[in-house]
Amino acid sequence: QVQLVQSGAEVKKPGSSVKVSCKTTGGMFSRYTMNWVRQAPGQGLEWMGGIIPIFGTESYAQNFRGRVTITADESTSTAYMELSSLRPDDTAVYYCARDLQGSGWYGGFDYWGQGTLVTVSS
Amino acid sequence: QSVLTQPPSASGTPGQRVTISCSGSSSNIGSNTLNWYQQLPGTAPKLLIYNDDQRPSGVPDRFSGSKSGTSASLAIRGLQSDDEAEYYCATWDDSLNGLVFGGGTKLTVL
Repeated sequence: QVQLVQSGAEVKKPGSSVKVSCKTTGGMFSRYTMNWVRQAPGQGLEWMGGIIPIFGTESYAQNFRGRVTITADESTSTAYMELSSLRPDDTAVYYCARDLQGSGWYGGFDYWGQGTLVTVSS
Repeated sequence: QSVLTQPPSASGTPGQRVTISCSGSSSNIGSNTLNWYQQLPGTAPKLLIYNDDQRPSGVPDRFSGSKSGTSASLAIRGLQSDDEAEYYCATWDDSLNGLVFGGGTKLTVL
């Protein structure tokens, strides 16, 4: 059974960075696009970007380009999302999610991590 | 403001059929496949429909998706109380070169 296990909650100061991890267990890692989606309190879903580990191909949403970096470590089946220059409005639950259709940009995410709450406050 | 437009709310009574719409443009729905998610409070989203009208394993056939041009719909028949949730559509946008979500529709079962 595939599981995506994310790192724990974080509290950060404005201007700092956060790095969230997402480990895949019970299934293949490299051949599936791994995406990051965030949800601010009471708000909708927002795609941040993704990576295809086997190709090392990344894609980022316009709103986050220059501020987010997504990487993948095939040896540990772990994806990472690092967000820099944090602001209070970056406070959100951050999810990793695997694309059902494999290595492409399709948007159908069948497995999701449990979510990581990142709180940005001075 | 979301690129994909959904009604903010929808409602129905148990057993009824309800539909939720998702409207976009030629750069997103008009040229890419559409996905639908259900999100219960405090939980991660769940994929209901992918590739416009395909159900992942385990999703009941009460849920169905359709698409025409730059609009899509999610239909739920035989509405149940535990269908009460937020529903999102999502697809790739060629102009933005990224995935976009609709603003979400809160479904209430009366």
